[in-house]
Amino acid sequence: DTAVSQTPKYLVTQMGNDKSIKCEQNLGHDTMYWYKQDSKKFLKIMFSYNNKELIINETVPNRFSPKSPDKAHLNLHINSLELGDSAVYFCASSQRSLVASARRAQTQYFGPGTRLLVL
Amino acid sequence: SQQGEEDPQALSIQEGENATMNCSYKTSINNLQWYRQNSGRGLVHLILIRSNEREKHSGRLRVTLDTSKKSSSLLITASRAADTASYFCATDGGGGSRLTFGEGTQLTVNP
Repeated sequence: DTAVSQTPKYLVTQMGNDKSIKCEQNLGHDTMYWYKQDSKKFLKIMFSYNNKELIINETVPNRFSPKSPDKAHLNLHINSLELGDSAVYFCASSQRSLVASARRAQTQYFGPGTRLLVL
Repeated sequence: SQQGEEDPQALSIQEGENATMNCSYKTSINNLQWYRQNSGRGLVHLILIRSNEREKHSGRLRVTLDTSKKSSSLLITASRAADTASYFCATDGGGGSRLTFGEGTQLTVNP
């Protein structure tokens, strides 16, 4: 009973191809995220959705397009893949605080990662 | 620019010793979290400390937070080989939706 799952686990593809990574969470969380971890293990947020609505959209090439069909799923589609896209992509989810003034940070639950290699 | 920076970048100790990792950040925060990442796996949440707290314990973990110095430390006592992993601090500047992660400390515990 995996909480946050991603498919595929490994993805090897040629430059210029289009690929998708899928993420699903069964925790009932409202918020989902995509992170990119580079070869130096630096983890950078790319997107965040809350109840299917985009709430964080960092400076990411528009070749990357997230799609959230429902609040349990957040997929990442990448067009025209480039060598620099090679990284590990992590999906995560959290329960968003409904009361901002409560100063309640949310624990994020991460998927196992998708290792993308662009040749 | 990056919010958190961990220190040291790498730490190698013997089993049974204590391991201390530090994290510094630049802007005001509401909360700070520590995560562990085993090789080839996703991040796992360890502990959260709020900005109005100074110290927190969880099992063999002890976290301190000094908001005046914008720094936090993670202490793992009586380390075990299974503690070998990368440890990341993450800061939450507000709202809970966005976490900014540091560069991580690679801890190796030798049996």
